[in-house]
Amino acid sequence: GQNIDQPTEMTATEGAIVQINCTYQTSGFNGLFWYQQHAGEAPTFLSYNVLDGLEEKGRFSSFLSRSKGYSYLLLKELQMKDSASYLCAPLDSNYQLIWGAGTKLIIKP
Amino acid sequence: TAGITQAPTSQILAAGRSMTLRCTQDMRHNAMYWYRQDLGLGLRLIHYSNTAGTTGKGEVPDGYSVSRANTDDFPLTLASAVPSQTSVYFCASSGTGDNSPLHFGNGTRLTVT
Repeated sequence: GQNIDQPTEMTATEGAIVQINCTYQTSGFNGLFWYQQHAGEAPTFLSYNVLDGLEEKGRFSSFLSRSKGYSYLLLKELQMKDSASYLCAPLDSNYQLIWGAGTKLIIKP
Repeated sequence: TAGITQAPTSQILAAGRSMTLRCTQDMRHNAMYWYRQDLGLGLRLIHYSNTAGTTGKGEVPDGYSVSRANTDDFPLTLASAVPSQTSVYFCASSGTGDNSPLHFGNGTRLTVT
């Protein structure tokens, strides 16, 4: 079967760094997306990785290891507005997105 | 502002009644999707359309139907609502290319009583 594993909830301090991990098992693999979703709002695109390594985009970076079925999202210089859920979603062999339940990130001052 | 518009924002519906959730996009995206999101679960795909005139079933299609008469509109119909269809429904679209991200509407919060 296909499975996504992310921590349910994480807490971090404003100004700090946090890493949100995602492990996946899918039938084939064609890349992995990260989305941010604030409470009561729609998900918004953060990053896409298809090759191994780190992709940096401002305060956010995303890492992929295809051999380990593992990705992480790294958030630096945390701000209160980063409080949200972060959704990991790999693309399977049929180019269908497989969604994790998401990690709720709570930022404390 | 370009994007996806969903209507209504929220709705309370009596069990057994029918309802159509509307979704319109102005980005000229070929692919459109309907998802439901329930607490503690990942987004689950209900139906999708790769291009106008075609539709396909997702992970949880039972009790729902869709149509895609043109590029812009992708309505979702519940023929006879049941309480288990209480959820938040998101419409999304994506452009060409396998790595094209999804653009989501603001969602419809549906409660079936």
